[in-house]
Amino acid sequence: DAGVTQSPTHLIKTRGQQVTLRCSPISGHKSVSWYQQVLGQGPQFIFQYYEKEERGRGNFPDRFSARQFPNYSSELNVNALLLGDSALYLCASSAGQGVRQPQHFGDGTRLSIL
Amino acid sequence: AQSVSQHNHHVILSEAASLELGCNYSYGGTVNLFWYVQYPGQHLQLLLKYFSGDPLVKGIKGFEAEFIKSKFSFNLRKPSVQWSDTAEYFCAVFSGGYNKLIFGAGTRLAVHP
Repeated sequence: DAGVTQSPTHLIKTRGQQVTLRCSPISGHKSVSWYQQVLGQGPQFIFQYYEKEERGRGNFPDRFSARQFPNYSSELNVNALLLGDSALYLCASSAGQGVRQPQHFGDGTRLSIL
Repeated sequence: AQSVSQHNHHVILSEAASLELGCNYSYGGTVNLFWYVQYPGQHLQLLLKYFSGDPLVKGIKGFEAEFIKSKFSFNLRKPSVQWSDTAEYFCAVFSGGYNKLIFGAGTRLAVHP
């Protein structure tokens, strides 16, 4: 079975630009979460979507937004990019809500801001 | 707010040495704890998890962790490491209400043959 797939793998942008990252969850998984992992730190929670609704939001500015589609895939959008947005962006999917639903991570999208 | 601390940022061991990686969490209520591993070039994978019950939990690849509530700790152990255990290890706590994991900063383990 295919795991969580993210695209693109790598992306280079300049300050002020906008970026869209994509995530396809494991088949049958209805929850998608997004994390930002800055070099040398652990992943930080950005958003969780379940059944196409936002269920949780981390401490990130409004420049970050996301959505989930009817097929449960998801997009993360970041506007007005800053140098500090350079990071590995991880997507995780799970079958549902709650701690007993293990989260499966994708390989991530590495975003570099010049 | 919940937080997770991993005190060892880099650990270097020889094969067959014993491993213990520290993890402390800040939340005093019911906690659900995880260890994830990221091998070079691979995605994060779940090593083991603790929800309740026996405080000594066993995971994949011979890893185990002990939940000590009085110390707010969830240390990861392995009696004898192998070169293939070279990876970055993350401790995480689940934040209830939605699928939010709070991760520590991670520990990079290098195992030399």
